Amino acid sequence: IVMTQSPATLSVSPGERATLSCRASQSVSSNLAWYQQKPGQAPRLLIYDASTRATGIPARFSGSGSGTEFTLTISSLQSEDFAVYYCQQYNNWPPTFGQGTKVEIK
Amino acid sequence: EMQLVESGGGLVQPGGSLRLSCAASRFTFSSYWMSWVRQAPGKGLEWVANINQDGSEKYFVDSVKGRFTISRDNARNSLYLQMNSLRAEDTAAYYCARGYSYGDYWGQGTLVTVSS
Repeated sequence: IVMTQSPATLSVSPGERATLSCRASQSVSSNLAWYQQKPGQAPRLLIYDASTRATGIPARFSGSGSGTEFTLTISSLQSEDFAVYYCQQYNNWPPTFGQGTKVEIK
Repeated sequence: EMQLVESGGGLVQPGGSLRLSCAASRFTFSSYWMSWVRQAPGKGLEWVANINQDGSEKYFVDSVKGRFTISRDNARNSLYLQMNSLRAEDTAAYYCARGYSYGDYWGQGTLVTVSS
């Protein structure tokens, strides 16, 4: 399954809302995760099952969607949120990732 | 807080072998599926392999089938990835992650470079 993320880069000012999109080449039901990765660090799980926040993840992160269309929303960007975000489907083996969306400071 | 620490990466020639290790702590290692995920320099993520709690089930991405083996030692709280017949395209940071289909905790990774 091919995962396509858009946009490739998102320029946002601190305090603004960010909306990231992820599309699957076929239905993955709700078997979708979102990760955040900062330079030189491992990915960090944010969301699983399309909309469930992982342990310790702030409420400003929310996920939605099912089937082939998914969205990650960061309601009010903080300085520590500027990073690359990946979606990942786990409905079919092997799990596959999108190419990432870089959220940068505007 | 739980911890995963990878080791064993390095520079290896094409066709060579390398064994990666992942030491787990502060959680019940034997109760979880574990996985290896890799990331080529400046690129995206690729799920490589996973293994169930007792090591009886293992799955691999097609690109490494027949070359890589995954194993675990629950007594030592350790996960392994044996990589044989390495190719330039295997160059990547290799992460161990807790989980079968998504990783809820990840190690910091170990870099494998395949080059002559």
